[in-house]
Amino acid sequence: ETGVTQTPRHLVMGMTNKKSLKCEQHLGHNAMYWYKQSAKKPLELMFVYNFKEQTENNSVPSRFSPECPNSSHLFLHLHTLQPEDSALYLCASSQLGGLAYEQYFGPGTRLTVT
Amino acid sequence: GQQLNQSPQSMFIQEGEDVSMNCTSSSIFNTWLWYKQDPGEGPVLLIALYKAGELTSNGRLTAQFGITRKDSFLNISASIPSDVGIYFCAGQTTFMNRDDKIIFGKGTRLHILP
Repeated sequence: ETGVTQTPRHLVMGMTNKKSLKCEQHLGHNAMYWYKQSAKKPLELMFVYNFKEQTENNSVPSRFSPECPNSSHLFLHLHTLQPEDSALYLCASSQLGGLAYEQYFGPGTRLTVT
Repeated sequence: GQQLNQSPQSMFIQEGEDVSMNCTSSSIFNTWLWYKQDPGEGPVLLIALYKAGELTSNGRLTAQFGITRKDSFLNISASIPSDVGIYFCAGQTTFMNRDDKIIFGKGTRLHILP
């Protein structure tokens, strides 16, 4: 595997379900991110992990819970979601501290909440 | 808060035409990035710009970092069908700071007419 991978690619869940999204990066980066992408809106940054520590939580509701067990893996735990949470959830990684500041994205998980 | 104004929102062009899109802001950025997103996929980095006035090419794509550091443009020459997709600009405000985050534009959707 290369780059940034995300599983599952598609997820349909009811409002009472609990599910988790998984992201794995194979680039040796030290920062990982969760974004939400809704139709006709800019990418919304949800969480940032630098060196496995959460450094940012952009006022995300507590029904979204991130977990970063190591610098290569990132999870987003979901519970009691609302229909307006349906969106494409993107994971990204980057290398902080160097000259290159680019973020590399995974393919995303298309989430539908029914 | 900081915002990026990306224009146009969408473009309809004939195959073979050149394309130009831009991003502007009232804030100064130290880094500009251009991404392309295909349907059902995550954004893919096309070009990264780190210096005011910098002009960088990637094949048929050329991007420039504006002298004022408040804008950037992307040009695509001799468009082909696979250029269809959504193009995002992104700006980063400081350099080599652990708490940096990227701000994204809303995207330019490129359509190529048969």
